[in-house]
Amino acid sequence: GDSVTQMEGPVTLSEEAFLTINCTYTATGYPSLFWYVQYPGEGLQLLLKATKADDKGSNKGFEATYRKETTSFHLEKGSVQVSDSAVYFCALSSNQAGTALIFGKGTTLSVSS
Amino acid sequence: GAVVSQHPSWVICKSGTSVKIECRSLDFQATTMFWYRQFPKQSLMLMATSNEGSKATYEQGVEKDKFLINHASLTLSTLTVTSAHPEDSSFYICSPKAGGTEAFFGQGTRLTVV
Repeated sequence: GDSVTQMEGPVTLSEEAFLTINCTYTATGYPSLFWYVQYPGEGLQLLLKATKADDKGSNKGFEATYRKETTSFHLEKGSVQVSDSAVYFCALSSNQAGTALIFGKGTTLSVSS
Repeated sequence: GAVVSQHPSWVICKSGTSVKIECRSLDFQATTMFWYRQFPKQSLMLMATSNEGSKATYEQGVEKDKFLINHASLTLSTLTVTSAHPEDSSFYICSPKAGGTEAFFGQGTRLTVV
């Protein structure tokens, strides 16, 4: 079945460092890909998404490109801030009606000043 | 973006009692509702899927008699944890979905059973 694998955390960075969180997927067909962010004690917020190959999702300085050839959707940010500290989830949707998102295990990012 | 309201945000209850969690989609109609639970430092695990007016479909290992799901309208779904026990303590998140690919999420409910 479909699955998502993302790098284990935690990831600890200093402010203004470059961030990469790797995410790869296995899916039949042509899924949509997402990155969600979860702040402590809160639900999930959509960070960015891409619905087809070579699409680049971007938001708040974060970017991710849908790479079909490497089945990847790595999250990047050029300069992280303390406020980016959170848990990041990579997810895919098979695009079939009524099916739930499939999530990676989540990666905790901790940014210090 | 879509607005989802989930209540309560946290609840503490005694063992053996029942707790109801509400999830409302405030500005769109949710044809499908997903309920997840999340243990500390873990990912979201799908518990069940419900479509408006139909019985919920539960994932393997989730007791349907313990976790009662009602999806009576396109804007409201409830999850009732019946006869709660300490092992039911978790973070529960609803996710209403309309016809597109994107899912939306409630703020989550922290349930603590003492």
